[in-house]
Amino acid sequence: GQQVMQIPQYQHVQEGEDFTTYCNSSTTLSNIQWYKQRPGGHPVFLIQLVKSGEVKKQKRLTFQFGEAKKNSSLHITATQTTDVGTYFCAGPRYSSASKIIFGSGTRLSIRP
Amino acid sequence: GAVVSQHPSWVICKSGTSVKIECRSLDFQATTMFWYRQFPKQSLMLMATSNEGSKATYEQGVEKDKFLINHASLTLSTLTVTSAHPEDSSFYICSARLQNHGEQYFGPGTRLTVT
Repeated sequence: GQQVMQIPQYQHVQEGEDFTTYCNSSTTLSNIQWYKQRPGGHPVFLIQLVKSGEVKKQKRLTFQFGEAKKNSSLHITATQTTDVGTYFCAGPRYSSASKIIFGSGTRLSIRP
Repeated sequence: GAVVSQHPSWVICKSGTSVKIECRSLDFQATTMFWYRQFPKQSLMLMATSNEGSKATYEQGVEKDKFLINHASLTLSTLTVTSAHPEDSSFYICSARLQNHGEQYFGPGTRLTVT
């Protein structure tokens, strides 16, 4: 069945270091979404990418959508303690575009 | 905009009892809402899709008679966990999608503990 995997599963960085999480889908996606979930909280929508090769930036966050529309990445420059949380990518279900399938998530923790 | 609320935020119940969780879209109408379950340190797993005015559609492996969903209005969907057991203890999250938009807006979640 359709799978969306993320690596790494966990990342522990020193504050100020960069962080990247990679998202890989078993199927081509019409779009990719990224969510952030703080510890004990709920997922919060960050961004959606639609075009092949698209790159979008939000302050220190850079999002990329692969040329083949099967992978994506999120890069955070100079991490801060407020970046702590789990980052999920998500894409439309192959069987039903109104539903989304979440990636496995990457948990980011930061040493102050 | 696009605020979704859930009630209660946490609940503890005894094994065998039923628990109802409410999900409300506060500032928009949602013809479709989604119910997810998240176990500790895991990703979100879609349980069912709640459709206003019609029956919910359940994902494979989710018992429809155990997880009752009612979407009686454009702003309210409820999930009732019937005859709860300790293995049903989890974080239940609802979401709603703005019409013609891809992203989903999540409620704050309900942490259910069954003793």
